[in-house]
Amino acid sequence: QERLAESGGGVVQPGRSLRLSCAASGFTFSSFAMHWVRQAPGKGLEWLALISYSSSNRDYAVSVKGRFTISRDNSESTLYLQMDGLRDDDTAIYYCARGSTLLGAKDAFDVWGQGTMVTVSS
Amino acid sequence: DIQMTQSPSTLSAAVGDRVTITCRASRTLGSWLAWYQQKPGKAPKLVIYKASILQSGVPSRFSGSGSGTDFTLTITSLQPDDSATYYCQQYNSHPYTFGQGTKLEI
Repeated sequence: QERLAESGGGVVQPGRSLRLSCAASGFTFSSFAMHWVRQAPGKGLEWLALISYSSSNRDYAVSVKGRFTISRDNSESTLYLQMDGLRDDDTAIYYCARGSTLLGAKDAFDVWGQGTMVTVSS
Repeated sequence: DIQMTQSPSTLSAAVGDRVTITCRASRTLGSWLAWYQQKPGKAPKLVIYKASILQSGVPSRFSGSGSGTDFTLTITSLQPDDSATYYCQQYNSHPYTFGQGTKLEI
């Protein structure tokens, strides 16, 4: 069964860093682009970042560009999101999602993790 | 960025009804539009992709249509399990953007 499992969320002070992980299983991780999407409490969905199958292509939402870094380890079937300079408005559930292509150019998200909660608060 | 506008924001219907949710894009998308279903406390689930293709395992009472800037999600013969929030998403260009959601109450 195709599965994604996020981890690494928690409570962090403004300005600090956190790294999220997303472990993939049940499919060939290295054959798909991957994405991070977040959802603030009671709000809608916001796409954050993508990484192509080989890590050659990455793209970010303006809201996180320069602060967040997406990466992947295909040998470990794991996706990462390094979050630096966290702000109060980064408080959200963070989901990893599988894209439907190699490069992430035209991707619907067909497999989602259960999400991990990040709370930024002093 | 492409803005996605869904209507209505909330929708009440009865078991067995047929409902339609509309999504309008600020620029043309071709057919690069997806619909997701999200239940409280759960991750979103892909329902429709490429505007009208039903994701594997999704009941056939769900259907999608449209192209360009105007799209619809239709659910026929509503079931209690269809109660959820539905989001459209454009994936024609980065940054990918979502509609604000339509909460369907049954």
